[in-house]
Amino acid sequence: DVKVTQSSRYLVKRTGEKVFLECVQDMDHENMFWYRQDPGLGLRLIYFSYDVKMKEKGDIPEGYSVSREKKERFSLILESASTNQTSMYLCASSPVIGLAGGYRSYEQYFGPGTRLTVT
Amino acid sequence: DAKTTQPTSMDCAEGRAANLPCNHSTISGNEYVYWYRQIHSQGPQYIIHGLKNNETNEMASLIITEDRKSSTLILPHATLRDTAVYYCIVSGGGATNKLIFGTGTLLAVQP
Repeated sequence: DVKVTQSSRYLVKRTGEKVFLECVQDMDHENMFWYRQDPGLGLRLIYFSYDVKMKEKGDIPEGYSVSREKKERFSLILESASTNQTSMYLCASSPVIGLAGGYRSYEQYFGPGTRLTVT
Repeated sequence: DAKTTQPTSMDCAEGRAANLPCNHSTISGNEYVYWYRQIHSQGPQYIIHGLKNNETNEMASLIITEDRKSSTLILPHATLRDTAVYYCIVSGGGATNKLIFGTGTLLAVQP
């Protein structure tokens, strides 16, 4: 089974702190994603990475940065945490398959989430 | 990406089939239909996906209409553990396949 783990289930930080959320996957997947989930808004994509050291902004990248130094690990960084970043953060990974028509990626595998509270 | 429309909530009796509808009237020819679910306090879980043909796996069946403007996820024998929010997503795929999650359907399986 694919396993995606996140460093903490619950985290409480103070406004202005630098926060690191870690995500590790054990299936050698090329793609990794960071989402946040808020009531009534569904999941929103913050950043994703399609290879080591490669990243692209998602829909709501402001206030966040990411790092992918190794294929299995994708970190989300809040440079200076603010109360509006209180949320559930979800990491996901997905494999890339080479087909005759090109490369495809289908299902994403999610971690259990980190509930971050910024006070 | 095409958008989807799902009912906000549905009920289903335990042991009966749960049929969850999804409208995606603006889907384009190369876009897939994906279904995920999220049980309370857990990360989303992939269920199934399809392009044109109906699909079945150990979790569910996916029925896509011939015009591809709507689909139905079928859980053949719902259990209490199937109570979750179910998301229908349309995506073009490609190597990175970014998914856009809406607010989904809350399926409540009743004993």
